[in-house]
Amino acid sequence: QVQLQESGPGLVKPSQTLSLTCIVSNASITSGHYFWHWIRQHPGKGLEWIGYIYYNGNLYYNPSLSGRVTLSIDTSKSHFSLTLSSVTAADTAIYYCARGRYYDDSGYIVRDFDYWGRGTMVTVSS
Amino acid sequence: IVLTQSPGTLSLSPGERTTLFCRASGPVDSTFLAWYQHRPGQAPRLLIYGASSRATGIPDRFSGSESGTDFSLTISRLEPEDFAVYYCQVYHSAIWTFGQGTKVEIK
Repeated sequence: QVQLQESGPGLVKPSQTLSLTCIVSNASITSGHYFWHWIRQHPGKGLEWIGYIYYNGNLYYNPSLSGRVTLSIDTSKSHFSLTLSSVTAADTAIYYCARGRYYDDSGYIVRDFDYWGRGTMVTVSS
Repeated sequence: IVLTQSPGTLSLSPGERTTLFCRASGPVDSTFLAWYQHRPGQAPRLLIYGASSRATGIPDRFSGSESGTDFSLTISRLEPEDFAVYYCQVYHSAIWTFGQGTKVEIK
């Protein structure tokens, strides 16, 4: 069973940088069939896509966060990471990592998330 | 693109049939419309992709359909484990967007 596990500090001070890592198990992070995403959920709100990184380092960020977000990938350790700079209370959220599919099992192009981590709560507060 | 889900909350009993709705603010490719189930403390689960295809291992009581910019998820007979929050999601113009969710709670 594919597993994703987020890790990182649960509390970050305002203006500092939030850093999270997602460890991928039982799946190849170098597969060209998948994107590796970060998604967040503000308290009591819906889900917000943050960005993705591909195994070769190609990436794309949500324009609403672009400029503060950096994604990276370490294929040798089977993990990918998120950093978010200059955080404010508005960045308080549950952060999820997820595997995004490029194709379904029949080879049709899709753009969904077939495996997610359980999420990690990050609070921005002094 | 904005996805608007309705209703916000459904109060139902096990065994009932229900339909959840998701409306896109503009034309989207239904190939890229998906539904997820999210139980508290758990990882979200892919239910439906391509608007109407069930993901691997998803019971056939879950079905999806589309009509223009309107999409729906039907649960034919609610099981106790189906009480959760459901999200629709679309990929459009290089952005992944989610609806705000519909909570299905036990009446």
